[in-house]
Amino acid sequence: KNQVEQSPQSLIILEGKNCTLQCNYTVSPFSNLRWYKQDTGRGPVSLTIMTFSENTKSNGRYTATLDADTKQSSLHITASQLSDSASYICVVSDRGSTLGRLYFGRGTQLTVWP
Amino acid sequence: EADIYQTPRYLVIGTGKKITLECSQTMGHDKMYWYQQDPGMELHLIHYSYGVNSTEKGDLSSESTVSRIRTEHFPLTLESARPSHTSQYLCASSDTSGIFGSYNEQFFGPGTRLTVL
Repeated sequence: KNQVEQSPQSLIILEGKNCTLQCNYTVSPFSNLRWYKQDTGRGPVSLTIMTFSENTKSNGRYTATLDADTKQSSLHITASQLSDSASYICVVSDRGSTLGRLYFGRGTQLTVWP
Repeated sequence: EADIYQTPRYLVIGTGKKITLECSQTMGHDKMYWYQQDPGMELHLIHYSYGVNSTEKGDLSSESTVSRIRTEHFPLTLESARPSHTSQYLCASSDTSGIFGSYNEQFFGPGTRLTVL
């Protein structure tokens, strides 16, 4: 069964600190992996997207890594800000259908305290 | 910022009412999707469309129905709402061509928070 597991479920850090969120997946055949940021009451917004051949991708203070062999990804946030408080969702796409089905993790709820 | 809109943003209604959640996108995307999301849970695909006059059911069984008469419009309808329909409904669209085509990059609307009393 195709699945996406994220850890930790929730995380509290102080403003200015760094943090790393984890994602493990079993989706096959793999197409790409993306990280979304979802603010409370809003739709998800894409942060990074990586294909099989890419092992790191940055977007400002966000850096995602991908190890396609171990089927693991991480999202590193540098110098956190209060506005980083949100749910971060790992999403994996398969290439086994014309739809390009997306498999969603439950997200890591990040809270940044001043 | 993606140009995809959902209305209403919040809706509180009584059991048995018929409701339609609106979703529109101005990007000319061919594919559109409806997801259902409960607090702390993953998004579940309930409907999708490849284009005009195309609609399919997603992974999660839903009593809702959808239509795709125009490219930019993908409304979701509940004929008789029940408390079990209380959830967040997210609409998304993607383009199979261009820079995002190969990734099936999906752009999400802000969502509709539905509460059925």
